[in-house]
Amino acid sequence: GDSVTQMEGPVTLSEEAFLTINCTYTATGYPSLFWYVQYPGEGLQLLLKATKADDKGSNKGFEATYRKETTSFHLEKGSVQVSDSAVYFCALPSGYSSASKIIFGSGTRLSIRP
Amino acid sequence: DAGVIQSPRHEVTEMGQEVTLRCKPISGHNSLFWYRQTMMRGLELLIYFNNNVPIDDSGMPEDRFSAKMPNASFSTLKIQPSEPRDSAVYFCASSLGDRASPLHFGNGTRLTVT
Repeated sequence: GDSVTQMEGPVTLSEEAFLTINCTYTATGYPSLFWYVQYPGEGLQLLLKATKADDKGSNKGFEATYRKETTSFHLEKGSVQVSDSAVYFCALPSGYSSASKIIFGSGTRLSIRP
Repeated sequence: DAGVIQSPRHEVTEMGQEVTLRCKPISGHNSLFWYRQTMMRGLELLIYFNNNVPIDDSGMPEDRFSAKMPNASFSTLKIQPSEPRDSAVYFCASSLGDRASPLHFGNGTRLTVT
């Protein structure tokens, strides 16, 4: 079945460091891929998405490229800030139906030191 | 756009009591999802609806849990009777229902059962 595997956390970096959070997936067909972010005390919110192979999603300095060959959608940011401290989730819709459920990875907690 | 609205924000109750969580999805969205989040189990999909019809309730833990969506603008998740292991943050999310559309999450209800 469809699945998402995320890099285990927590990840701790210093401010201005380069960030990579790995995400690989198993899916039927070529679904849209998503990264969500959850700040403390809040619900998840969409960070970026890509709808087809080789698409690059980007937002707030974060980027992720839909790689069909490696079934990956790794999240990157060139220079992280303390305000990026949060939990990050990779996700995809499961199945072909338009009424699809969304499968989330286990989440990666990111902490940025000043 | 008011976003997904959940109530109450916090609920503290005693074991054995009935608990009702409420959700108002974004107007025009036709899919609604209930998730539960805990440190131990992460983010779990409990049930989701499409056009007010339950599509998949396989994530509902047991018969003590029930969910309804009487119309497009309102859903409830009920736990009767509640148990301490039900303590978690419960999120409601809605979407346009197609595979490229992201979920929009509410801020959650933090349930504590003593």
